Amino acid sequence: GDSVTQMEGPVTLSEEAFLTINCTYTATGYPSLFWYVQYPGEGLQLLLKATKADDKGSNKGFEATYRKETTSFHLEKGSVQVSDSAVYFCALDTDKLIFGTGTRLQVFP
Amino acid sequence: SQTIHQWPATLVQPVGSPLSLECTVEGTSNPNLYWYRQAAGRGLQLLFYSVGIGQISSEVPQNLSASRPQDRQFILSSKKLLLSDSGFYLCAWRGSAYNSPLHFGNGTRLTVT
Repeated sequence: GDSVTQMEGPVTLSEEAFLTINCTYTATGYPSLFWYVQYPGEGLQLLLKATKADDKGSNKGFEATYRKETTSFHLEKGSVQVSDSAVYFCALDTDKLIFGTGTRLQVFP
Repeated sequence: SQTIHQWPATLVQPVGSPLSLECTVEGTSNPNLYWYRQAAGRGLQLLFYSVGIGQISSEVPQNLSASRPQDRQFILSSKKLLLSDSGFYLCAWRGSAYNSPLHFGNGTRLTVT
């Protein structure tokens, strides 16, 4: 069945470091791909999305490119801030959203 | 604009007691509605989803149930809670258009003691 695999956390970085959180998927057809972010004690918020191969989603300095050949949707940011500390979820959308297990990011000043 | 309300924010219940969590959506009609559970250290598990009034699809067999008595109201229930029901419960909605993103409520932290 359809599934999403994310790198395990926590990912610990210093402020202004480069961030990569890996996400790969298994799906039949051509799903849309999403990244959601969850700040402490809150629900999830949509961060970015891509609906077809080679699309690049971007928001708040974060980017992810839909790579069909490698079935990946890795999240990147060039310079992280303390305020980016949160849990990040990769998700794929067929007729319902399937989420990865989440990756906790901790950014220290 | 659309908003989603979920309550209560936190709940502590003894084993064997009933449960009722409520979720309502404003500013849209005929949304697709979802209940997810997030257990500590684990990802999001889809519990139920609904594409219309009275239409409930269950993803995981368990002692929970869901109902949709009105178009924008989604209720998660249990007759007798188990310790394993503890977790963070999230309600979400999205429009019926293809690839619409999910919009989440702020969640309910349930602790079963």
